[in-house]
Amino acid sequence: AQSVTQLGSHVSVSEGALVLLRCNYSSSVPPYLFWYVQYPNQGLQLLLKYTSAATLVKGINGFEAEFKKSETSFHLTKPSAHMSDAAEYFCAVRGNSGYSTLTFGKGTMLLVSP
Amino acid sequence: GAVVSQHPSWVICKSGTSVKIECRSLDFQATTMFWYRQFPKQSLMLMATSNEGSKATYEQGVEKDKFLINHASLTLSTLTVTSAHPEDSSFYICSAVDRGANYGYTFGSGTRLTVV
Repeated sequence: AQSVTQLGSHVSVSEGALVLLRCNYSSSVPPYLFWYVQYPNQGLQLLLKYTSAATLVKGINGFEAEFKKSETSFHLTKPSAHMSDAAEYFCAVRGNSGYSTLTFGKGTMLLVSP
Repeated sequence: GAVVSQHPSWVICKSGTSVKIECRSLDFQATTMFWYRQFPKQSLMLMATSNEGSKATYEQGVEKDKFLINHASLTLSTLTVTSAHPEDSSFYICSAVDRGANYGYTFGSGTRLTVV
């Protein structure tokens, strides 16, 4: 079965600082991995996804993530945090067949201070 | 890009009544939709997988008679919470798969259900 582990339920950074949100996965098949952002009382917005193409994936709002098979990781980064980046971030892995559901990590709340 | 419209965004109902939540794919056909439930400060928990024209597949522990799912067309899936109780209060989110978008999973904006 597929699973993801997000290290750290909360991450605090200062505005302008590097953002690093960690995600490790477990998958019995080559994984398809996703990062989503959720603002309060809203649905999930896709930041980026890895679907076995380039290992460095660039997403929206300046975010990117690197797929590292040897480390079973897919960490999300952004060079310079903005106040508007404060939100909940979820890492997810697709199930092992076709269009099966996504399995989500527990989420990481990103806090950005002035 | 693909858009999924979910309505209502919030609803308050009395115990014992039923509530219907709609999830529509606006610019693509979604043969598969997923329904999730999210408790405060927690992750999304899959409730069921909805396939157009067939019965939904429910996850273990989810009462199919309580959470009725209908996926009658390629663009619409509905979740009906029957005989709602306060413990059903939660944030419900749907997701639709856009098969033409290389594993595009698009999410609705969610429905905040409060049962009083």
